[in-house]
Amino acid sequence: ETGVTQSPTHLIKTRGQQVTLRCSSQSGHNTVSWYQQALGQGPQFIFQYYREEENGRGNFPPRFSGLQFPNYSSELNVNALELDDSALYLCASSFMQADTQYFGPGTRLTVL
Amino acid sequence: DAKTTQPTSMDCAEGRAANLPCNHSTISGNEYVYWYRQIHSQGPQYIIHGLKNNETNEMASLIITEDRKSSTLILPHATLRDTAVYYCIVRVARSGNTGKLIFGQGTTLQVKP
Repeated sequence: ETGVTQSPTHLIKTRGQQVTLRCSSQSGHNTVSWYQQALGQGPQFIFQYYREEENGRGNFPPRFSGLQFPNYSSELNVNALELDDSALYLCASSFMQADTQYFGPGTRLTVL
Repeated sequence: DAKTTQPTSMDCAEGRAANLPCNHSTISGNEYVYWYRQIHSQGPQYIIHGLKNNETNEMASLIITEDRKSSTLILPHATLRDTAVYYCIVRVARSGNTGKLIFGQGTTLQVKP
């Protein structure tokens, strides 16, 4: 059984650019949640996708958007990058929306 | 979602039991207690969860008080690899709800040789 995977591992972008992060959910899971973790802080919920539809969103601006594909993998897109977007981005998959979430290793984004 | 309170840091000797407390005095009847840990710069790792009964798995035991206002995560024989930040989270686990995880600052557990 394959766990949650994320790509890329690390990424460096400059202010104003756009970035796409990818997540493959654990086998059998149809729900993906995304979190942002700033240095020294706990992860913060961005949004959740269930069966290709957004199913809840945290306090993040619209320039954070996502997609979920028929195979339940997911993308997180961030437009107009700001310095404060530098963080570890985590995705977690679960069997259903409110089931136990299992995290991937994360993508470290640095915005210069 | 109910808020949790955890000590900022704890030390434990290698081979001894690590007991990590968590207060969640405003927990609702439909909220579960979840524990995750995060080893430096890795994704959080699920440990265990429970509603009202004590739970045990291969990693840890979870003891929830009868009034459900607090709980304790027990690592029976701590090793150096258990050094991590431990997060106690209460969340609704009901169909149709996102069940989003709200992370606090957690407890930094340092296991010492």
